[in-house]
Amino acid sequence: GQSLEQPSEVTAVEGAIVQINCTYQTSGFYGLSWYQQHDGGAPTFLSYNALDGLEETGRFSSFLSRSDSYGYLLLQELQMKDSASYFCAVRDHADFNKFYFGSGTKLNVKP
Amino acid sequence: GAGVSQSPSNKVTEKGKDVELRCDPISGHTALYWYRQSLGQGLEFLIYFQGNSAPDKSGLPSDRFSAERTGGSVSTLTIQRTQQEDSAVYLCASSQRMLEETQYFGPGTRLLVL
Repeated sequence: GQSLEQPSEVTAVEGAIVQINCTYQTSGFYGLSWYQQHDGGAPTFLSYNALDGLEETGRFSSFLSRSDSYGYLLLQELQMKDSASYFCAVRDHADFNKFYFGSGTKLNVKP
Repeated sequence: GAGVSQSPSNKVTEKGKDVELRCDPISGHTALYWYRQSLGQGLEFLIYFQGNSAPDKSGLPSDRFSAERTGGSVSTLTIQRTQQEDSAVYLCASSQRMLEETQYFGPGTRLLVL
């Protein structure tokens, strides 16, 4: 099975940098994805790491280290609109059409 | 359509009644997923469809849950004899093909079982 752990809540100020961690215990997976979900909204895809290292997409970057069973999402130049929940997710190695999501990290951006 | 659509957006029902939730994926997307999200929780995988292939039902929480996908497009998730613990947001997602990492989610159906 798969188990993904995230902090439940993080608070940061506008303009700052924040890192949201995801540690996992899996029997094997293809890569780590990140999704953003605003209150009452649908999750939207942010990034995907198939390989170890850093992937950068604008203000957002995502990192994966398979040897440490660890990944993170880095948000730079925080804006108020970044206030949302962020989920890490993995595709199961045994059944590659099954996805497992973490319980999510609620990011509060303050002025 | 432009995105994944789901109906109804909200559903209130009485315990013991059956409900049917509908998902219309993005046109041309062959993979379709159903998830359940309880308040303040992550997404719980329920079932997926790949084209017209028989779905993997192993993620369904009980035999009261069933799903079908007609013509490789629209999908319905049916919950029979609803229980209060079924109250949650039911999310549908589609992706263009198998092994596509990006899933496109619909707005969800908020189900409340009284």
